[in-house]
Amino acid sequence: LAKTTQPISMDSYEGQEVNITCSHNNIATNDYITWYQQFPSQGPRFIIQGYKTKVTNEVASLFIPADRKSSTLSLPRVSLSDTAVYYCLVGQRLLNTGFQKLVFGTGTRLLVSP
Amino acid sequence: DSGVTQTPKHLITATGQRVTLRCSPRSGDLSVYWYQQSLDQGLQFLIQYYNGEERAKGNILERFSAQQFPDLHSELNLSSLELGDSALYFCASSVGPSGGPNEQFFGPGTRLTVL
Repeated sequence: LAKTTQPISMDSYEGQEVNITCSHNNIATNDYITWYQQFPSQGPRFIIQGYKTKVTNEVASLFIPADRKSSTLSLPRVSLSDTAVYYCLVGQRLLNTGFQKLVFGTGTRLLVSP
Repeated sequence: DSGVTQTPKHLITATGQRVTLRCSPRSGDLSVYWYQQSLDQGLQFLIQYYNGEERAKGNILERFSAQQFPDLHSELNLSSLELGDSALYFCASSVGPSGGPNEQFFGPGTRLTVL
């Protein structure tokens, strides 16, 4: 199974737009892409989920190209409280069993400075 | 508060021992997922149950096992513990099986330390 990769870290300033990309070459046909935020010593928290094109909610946008081999989480105007680790999560179907294996990306540590 | 509860919060044990981690999903959620998070491996999916049946299996070692009970709570059993099993273990729950729109809600985790 291909690895799901993300940049290790990103730095930004308050008020800026931040885009974090995840590469997922082996995504299965009917799998969704989900992004999570995690603060230290806490469980991941859902941000946004999508299947194709663009999805927007009150906190973020998710861009997925037609081939779905990558996705980009966009945080429009970050604040200090957005400093966290961001993970993408995709399902990868195992051809021999039909089961899905859920694979988290490697995680991107975002640091927002004043 | 996600609505998912995990016990215990912390667990310290010795190599070779066996422990059981417990998870109660959100009310109404039928799926339970278990994940391991360590510094060098990141977040690793272990196993998923849906309405009592095993649904998907990830990088779960043979020394580990899990089950989901009729009341939908789940237990993760870790045996013959090794130092490398020290990690944060998260449980998550969702309404349906994975594959479609399926937001997972994560518990606060159990921190396991193997000495």
